[in-house]
Amino acid sequence: GAVVSQHPSWVICKSGTSVKIECRSLDFQATTMFWYRQFPKQSLMLMATSNEGSKATYEQGVEKDKFLINHASLTLSTLTVTSAHPEDSSFYICSAQVGEVTEAFFGQGTRLTVV
Amino acid sequence: GQNIDQPTEMTATEGAIVQINCTYQTSGFNGLFWYQQHAGEAPTFLSYNVLDGLEEKGRFSSFLSRSKGYSYLLLKELQMKDSASYLCAVLQGDYKLSFGAGTTVTVRA
Repeated sequence: GAVVSQHPSWVICKSGTSVKIECRSLDFQATTMFWYRQFPKQSLMLMATSNEGSKATYEQGVEKDKFLINHASLTLSTLTVTSAHPEDSSFYICSAQVGEVTEAFFGQGTRLTVV
Repeated sequence: GQNIDQPTEMTATEGAIVQINCTYQTSGFNGLFWYQQHAGEAPTFLSYNVLDGLEEKGRFSSFLSRSKGYSYLLLKELQMKDSASYLCAVLQGDYKLSFGAGTTVTVRA
């Protein structure tokens, strides 16, 4: 099946710094990429949807100036958590879609810990 | 908004059958997905139901009743490798997936 690579798998950063997470589709071109966040014992929550070359669409309650999304190519999307705070500590996971939503493939996720 | 409920945990014996229920109240329903997720790994697609009824795929089957807002995932002939989290997700519109919190299934020898 298709492979989506997410990097890094885990990261620890100091409060106030920024962290960039990459999501790459390795063997296909993704028309759309999605970013999710998951807190412990809770469901995956969609943060934003991005299409190559256009601005991301953010879900209600997600600060676009804090979570910067860049979808520069059909195989790469990045999520930058700016001025991170401990409450941003979470599991961030991306998915890349080609065509129908049944062809959406997930990355392995990034565990972010802000200290 | 959306409300998607599934049990938190289930335990079963190797070789047995387990049924994971999912109830939902969402707007713009356009289908229901089941994913399997092992710890530290990406969720992987198991099934997609958009019409009422049962979809069978090997040891895994998924059922949907749109009028009842209800689905289940049936795992037969359980194997140890089936120990994982199972995520129920509702498709709203063309692309938005809303997930339940997941059901952790533990298979015991």
